[in-house]
Amino acid sequence: AQSVTQPDIHITVSEGASLELRCNYSYGATPYLFWYVQSPGQGLQLLLKYFSGDTLVQGIKGFEAEFKRSQSSFNLRKPSVHWSDAAEYFCAVGPNTGKLIFGQGTTLQVKP
Amino acid sequence: ETGVTQTPRHLVMGMTNKKSLKCEQHLGHNAMYWYKQSAKKPLELMFVYNFKEQTENNSVPSRFSPECPNSSHLFLHLHTLQPEDSALYLCASSQGTGTSGVHGETQYFGPGTRLLVL
Repeated sequence: AQSVTQPDIHITVSEGASLELRCNYSYGATPYLFWYVQSPGQGLQLLLKYFSGDTLVQGIKGFEAEFKRSQSSFNLRKPSVHWSDAAEYFCAVGPNTGKLIFGQGTTLQVKP
Repeated sequence: ETGVTQTPRHLVMGMTNKKSLKCEQHLGHNAMYWYKQSAKKPLELMFVYNFKEQTENNSVPSRFSPECPNSSHLFLHLHTLQPEDSALYLCASSQGTGTSGVHGETQYFGPGTRLLVL
């Protein structure tokens, strides 16, 4: 069955520290992979996406993600977190019908 | 207005009421989506419309009835809902690629309607 797992429900990091949010997926073919961010009271905003090619993808707001086929992972990283990065982050897999499958989300808290 | 807008932003309704959620996209897209976001659960795709035709109904109860009169507007008609239907309902749109479907397209989301069913 197709699924997305975000093992960390809640993560707290200090401002200026590095960040890695984990995402593992189960999918029968080459997936289309996305990371979205949701701030309180807002809809989801696309951070980055992977379709093919270079497995290291750059996104907005200084985020990047690396696709590792052998590990079925698409982890999101940022070298230095800002207080405004506090939000909920969703990993998603998109097969060929527009039917995005989302993970449960990881809530990021940033300590001053 | 830009992007994807949703009205109302908040809605409280009784189980016997009938109400409608509205979504409008100003991006020139041809595909539109309804999602349900419940606390502690992943986003659930409800419906997909591509060029005004429904292409996905993810086993949604009939008390939710979508309507897509044109590529810019999407409605979700609600009637005889249950308390467990309380959630954030998100609308999204994407380019839409005609006969090839909505293969891996980026979806742009609205801010959602927070629904409370009493």
